[in-house]
Amino acid sequence: AQTVTQSQPEMSVQEAETVTLSCTYDTSESDYYLFWYKQPPSRQMILVIRQEAYKQQNATENRFSVNFQKAAKSFSLKISDSQLGDAAMYFCAYRSASHGGNKLVFGAGTILRVKS
Amino acid sequence: DVKVTQSSRYLVKRTGEKVFLECVQDMDHENMFWYRQDPGLGLRLIYFSYDVKMKEKGDIPEGYSVSREKKERFSLILESASTNQTSMYLCASIRGGLAGANVLTFGAGSRLTVL
Repeated sequence: AQTVTQSQPEMSVQEAETVTLSCTYDTSESDYYLFWYKQPPSRQMILVIRQEAYKQQNATENRFSVNFQKAAKSFSLKISDSQLGDAAMYFCAYRSASHGGNKLVFGAGTILRVKS
Repeated sequence: DVKVTQSSRYLVKRTGEKVFLECVQDMDHENMFWYRQDPGLGLRLIYFSYDVKMKEKGDIPEGYSVSREKKERFSLILESASTNQTSMYLCASIRGGLAGANVLTFGAGSRLTVL
């Protein structure tokens, strides 16, 4: 079974600085998808960024980018120019691309605090 | 925008009570999911439904059941609530299956406390 590990329960970053959230996963599959979701306090979870495993190029979305290392099974999220609105719980998630890949496997989450 | 609405943000129930958590989505999505979120454990799938009256167990279905009588509504039922079911419950939906890089749309969550 696949597992997703987020080793940082909490992180802090100064406003306007850069922070990297770590995520590793364990799978024997070669084709899959990886996601970062953001859950602001008392608000609904939203997608931040996604990565297809077959793509070598790292995904970027404005200030958010990933460092996808397939061989190392690592999928870190970098937030540049951090803003107060980035404060949230961040979840890394894995989904198989094969038949039966009908669920997401989530990590335990990382709380990001942004200091002004 | 797709909306996934969970009817209750906060509930307090007593042990042994029957609890209904309701979820409604307004974009005709075929697939709906119920997750449970606990500190240090992330999100765990309880049940999902890929069509009306269809359901499949997720990773932690024990103590829960679900109902999908209409496409837009997916209910989570705790037949006899217990204190270890105190948690945040998240509903989500998606068009089609979890195919490609399709993305789940989540509701705001229902925080249940069982006393």
